[in-house]
Amino acid sequence: QVQLVESGGGVVQPGGSLRLSCAASGFTFSSYGMHWVRQAPGKGLEWVAFIRYDGSNKYYADSVKGRFTISRDNSKNTLYLQMNSLRAEDTAVYYCAKDLYSSSPYYMDVWGKGTTVTVSS
Amino acid sequence: DIVMTQSPDSLAVSLGERATINCKSSQSVLYSSNNKNYLVWYQQKPGQPPKLLIYWASTRESGVPDRFSASGSGTDFTLTISSLQAEDVAVYYCQQHYSTPPTFGQGTKVEIK
Repeated sequence: QVQLVESGGGVVQPGGSLRLSCAASGFTFSSYGMHWVRQAPGKGLEWVAFIRYDGSNKYYADSVKGRFTISRDNSKNTLYLQMNSLRAEDTAVYYCAKDLYSSSPYYMDVWGKGTTVTVSS
Repeated sequence: DIVMTQSPDSLAVSLGERATINCKSSQSVLYSSNNKNYLVWYQQKPGQPPKLLIYWASTRESGVPDRFSASGSGTDFTLTISSLQAEDVAVYYCQQHYSTPPTFGQGTKVEIK
């Protein structure tokens, strides 16, 4: 079955870095765009980033632009989120999600269970 | 960015009764070339990731019970649970994908009265 499994979350100090991974299975990973979406404690959903099926186009929320980098390795069926210059407001559960299509952000039809990032001194 | 506003923020409904959630976008999400509304609904149960319920504003995802229905066009949309069940307790989000960035409503929490 279609599955997304995130990893790499943890506790990091402000200004630090973290890399999240998302292992995909059960579908042709290289054919679909992929998202990262986050949810701060007790808050709603916030879209973070999107990457086209081939990695050639990337889109970011203004809140993370210049600090976060989305990437993918289609040979490993894995999505990544490199997070630098982390701030307290980046504390959230980070979800990996599959897009309906391949090239532009549409909607998320499959979600992982999420990985928790806590930015605190 | 398109701002999505849901109402109410929360509602409590008796088992078997109807629950109605509204979602309003700051600009139209109807794409004229294909006459599709670029609007989806998700359900998020406590401790779980979101789950896709409705796409293209009114089409139920496979496996979603038919007590869930949705309607609307342009800027105003509605999600209805016709007969609330205990397992429907959740937060419901609308999301537009008409333009980048995709944006979510703030969520509506549905509880049992």
